[in-house]
Amino acid sequence: SQQGEEDPQALSIQEGENATMNCSYKTSINNLQWYRQNSGRGLVHLILIRSNEREKHSGRLRVTLDTSKKSSSLLITASRAADTASYFCAAQEWGGSEKLVFGKGTKLTVNP
Amino acid sequence: SQTIHQWPATLVQPVGSPLSLECTVEGTSNPNLYWYRQAAGRGLQLLFYSVGIGQISSEVPQNLSASRPQDRQFILSSKKLLLSDSGFYLCAWTKTAREQYFGPGTRLTVT
Repeated sequence: SQQGEEDPQALSIQEGENATMNCSYKTSINNLQWYRQNSGRGLVHLILIRSNEREKHSGRLRVTLDTSKKSSSLLITASRAADTASYFCAAQEWGGSEKLVFGKGTKLTVNP
Repeated sequence: SQTIHQWPATLVQPVGSPLSLECTVEGTSNPNLYWYRQAAGRGLQLLFYSVGIGQISSEVPQNLSASRPQDRQFILSSKKLLLSDSGFYLCAWTKTAREQYFGPGTRLTVT
């Protein structure tokens, strides 16, 4: 079943602005991951935040995790046209399979 | 370095025909392997995963099956395709409880 739910479904901003995407999930997780997908391509891993972490940074990316609210956010600062893509959160549940439950994604368009 | 291959890249098949999509991973051993399907404009739905040769777990009962005949080979099959099987099929692997690495995907259109 789909566990992660992102919002907004679509986001259009100007270059240089910040983009914030949110994700909610339903069960206990080992970690929460964010992926990027360019149109018609495979997914690329961006960042992973563990269940005992609250915030993580990687370059222009900032991820927060609130396990009490079962939610996460991805912030992309100083966006570029090349950031245009779909972004998915994925919740990794505890257990041996390491399987991920993906949300439906946020389609981000950065206008030059 | 590790790489993951999927083929074919695109496929157009008539309803009722069989299907075989292949995924292979190089540069690692005993990975966990996954098959996902992505409908147009939607998120990924986990179809099958495998933690070892011959070990297949099905997430969604449907018209598809999976097999892992070798350590780094994962095959998605169907005996008779349905229109609803159309979509973008992605294979992925992971070694630890961390990120998954995705293949380039196969675009399947059932006509």
